[in-house]
Amino acid sequence: QTVVTQEPSLTVSPGGTVTLTCASSTGAVTSGYYPNWFQQKPGQAPRALIYSTSNKHSWTPARFSGSLLGGKAALTLSGVQPEDEAEYYCLLYYGGAQPWVFGGGTKLTVL
Amino acid sequence: EVQLVESGGGLVKPGGSLRLSCAASGFTFSSYSMNWVRQAPGKGLEWVSSISSSSSYIYYADSVKGRFTISRDNAKNSLYLQMNSLRAEDTAVYYCARDYGGNSPLGYWGQGTLVTVSS
Repeated sequence: QTVVTQEPSLTVSPGGTVTLTCASSTGAVTSGYYPNWFQQKPGQAPRALIYSTSNKHSWTPARFSGSLLGGKAALTLSGVQPEDEAEYYCLLYYGGAQPWVFGGGTKLTVL
Repeated sequence: EVQLVESGGGLVKPGGSLRLSCAASGFTFSSYSMNWVRQAPGKGLEWVSSISSSSSYIYYADSVKGRFTISRDNAKNSLYLQMNSLRAEDTAVYYCARDYGGNSPLGYWGQGTLVTVSS
């Protein structure tokens, strides 16, 4: 069974920079996994931020960026704002009969 | 403006059935793949099922395969999820989500509908 692993929690100071990662139990994450990133605040539906590793949606703030880092997918927040406090999920593509798998999520605290 | 509105959630007994609907508006529904994603209380997101624009390609998570059926009616701009043989572990908020394009399967999301499986 495929497992996608994220840091359970991270803390960052306002104005700081933080990188969240997303690893696959099958090995290194490449662009062929089409990494997607989502933000979810309490009581709200998730919101898409990044697709295909580094592409931003039209509504994605410029301070969010996606990349591949050390065999993992990565989401970097630069100049963190208090409103960035949320849960962040990655999604990877594996093809086949069950093509998409979410990571367990990272709870980001801005403190 | 893309709008996705789920309905059909509620309380159902284990072993029972429920049919969720997702009404779409603000875009050409027949041009996009659609998905269902769920979230158990206090837990993370789980991709459940996908259906292509013409229903030619359908996929399910192993956890629901053989029990859930995804379908769509392009004439009615609607997506469905028929859920049978429900279990307590199916209790979750169910979201429908629209493909954005460019390998972004979940670009737009509805607000979700809660399904509770309990005796």
